Amino acid sequence: NAGVMQNPRHLVRRRGQEARLRCSPVKGHSHVYWYRQLPEEGLKFMVYLQKENIIDESGMPKERFSAEFPKEGPSILRIQQVVRGDSAAYFCASSPAGSSYEQYFGPGTRLTVT
Amino acid sequence: GESVGLHLPTLSVQEGDNSIINCAYSNSASDYFIWYKQESGKGPQFIIDIRSNMDKRQGQRVTVLLNKTVKHLSLQIAATQPGDSAVYFCAEISTTDKLIFGTGTRLQVFP
Repeated sequence: NAGVMQNPRHLVRRRGQEARLRCSPVKGHSHVYWYRQLPEEGLKFMVYLQKENIIDESGMPKERFSAEFPKEGPSILRIQQVVRGDSAAYFCASSPAGSSYEQYFGPGTRLTVT
Repeated sequence: GESVGLHLPTLSVQEGDNSIINCAYSNSASDYFIWYKQESGKGPQFIIDIRSNMDKRQGQRVTVLLNKTVKHLSLQIAATQPGDSAVYFCAEISTTDKLIFGTGTRLQVFP
C-alpha cells in the first residue's frame, strides 16, 4: 500500500506535554498538507509544505504549533504545551508537484489531551 | 472571506433510493470543486470533481452538478447502498492551492 501513512493513529497527551504527529506522503509526492478536524466539523487547513520549505502556514496557530517536511523522512506536525482545545483529528494529505487538486489523505491521528 | 457550507447536516434515505447532497460556496472565483466521502475513523476519500467550466459531471453512480449562477453544488448518488453511509464534504481549491471544506452532511442509509 503506497498511500499516505500517518502515525501514531491515536495519541494521548496530558496538558503541557508535546505532541509529534508524523506523515509519510505517497511515494514521489513532494507536497504535504496538514488539516485539523474537530468532531462533527469539516477539515480546516493548517499548513502546506514542500520539501524543506513552508509554502503557506496561514491556518497554523502562531504559537505552540510548527511543521516541517525535511529532505529525508516524514513531515512532522509538532504541538508544544498542548491544551484541551488541541484535541482533534489531524489529517495529512500529499500531492504531486503542481497538482494541488490531487490531494490524497492519510487515515489521520486522533489527539486527545487530558 | 471564502466559505463553503452545506444546507443539511443529516440526510436519511432508504436503500435503493437516490440521494442528493447540497453545498453552497461563496467564492465566485473558485474554479475547481471536489466531493469527498469520509467514513468513521478514516480520512476523506475522493469521490468526484468538477471544474467551473462544466455544469455536470458523471461518475459511477454519482453525478455532480454545478450552478455558478447561485454558487451551488450538488452530489447525486443513484441507488444508494448501505456502504454509502458516511459524511460527505464538498471542498474548493483556493487560489493558494489549499482545500476549503464545508461542514459536511451525514448520509444514513436504511434497509
